[in-house]
Amino acid sequence: NAGVMQNPRHLVRRRGQEARLRCSPMKGHSHVYWYRQLPEEGLKFMVYLQKENIIDESGMPKERFSAEFPKEGPSILRIQQVVRGDSAAYFCASSSGTGGGPQYFGPGTRLLVL
Amino acid sequence: TQLLEQSPQFLSIQEGENLTVYCNSSSVFSSLQWYRQEPGEGPVLLVTVVTGGEVKKLKRLTFQFGDARKDSSLHITAAQPGDTGLYLCAGAAPGTYKYIFGTGTRLKVLA
Repeated sequence: NAGVMQNPRHLVRRRGQEARLRCSPMKGHSHVYWYRQLPEEGLKFMVYLQKENIIDESGMPKERFSAEFPKEGPSILRIQQVVRGDSAAYFCASSSGTGGGPQYFGPGTRLLVL
Repeated sequence: TQLLEQSPQFLSIQEGENLTVYCNSSSVFSSLQWYRQEPGEGPVLLVTVVTGGEVKKLKRLTFQFGDARKDSSLHITAAQPGDTGLYLCAGAAPGTYKYIFGTGTRLKVLA
């Protein structure tokens, strides 16, 4: 009964490199959400996806950030040309439906940009 | 813009004491969740409340959703060191999936 899985747990990148964060939702869940958490702050919504569709990306920076949730495989959050300000914990959550149903979170990926 | 304010921000108490954490907004939410997050981990769902006035109990934790569905409280009885962590409330506006997270309450229970 695996929960939400994220990898890698820790990622170190130099400025200008690309970061790829992966999220496998709970079994039976087809809705994925990405959040960012800065140290000592709450979680900020980034993007909501269903299989092969981006439903809402209003919380995601328009440049350098992209997300996908293909028919097969995990959801990917991609950050191109990372900058130091991208350093944060990125959490993925999944749910079985929409309309405010419970979201279950993964352990997060901690990105450090040097 | 919907905001969820939590109070207090920080709380340090002795084992055995009781405490209440508040989550307040001027907006109505269709549901509200409480999570606990430990360092280096993701938030773990504690409870979901959906009905105004609803009260749910989880062992020593009691959760209440305000009658107007704009606020919630978490009460812990006889706190234990294992209760230490960051407590987050998160609300979903009616008809949406987008969670708004509260500012968080950092609880430390001393043995």
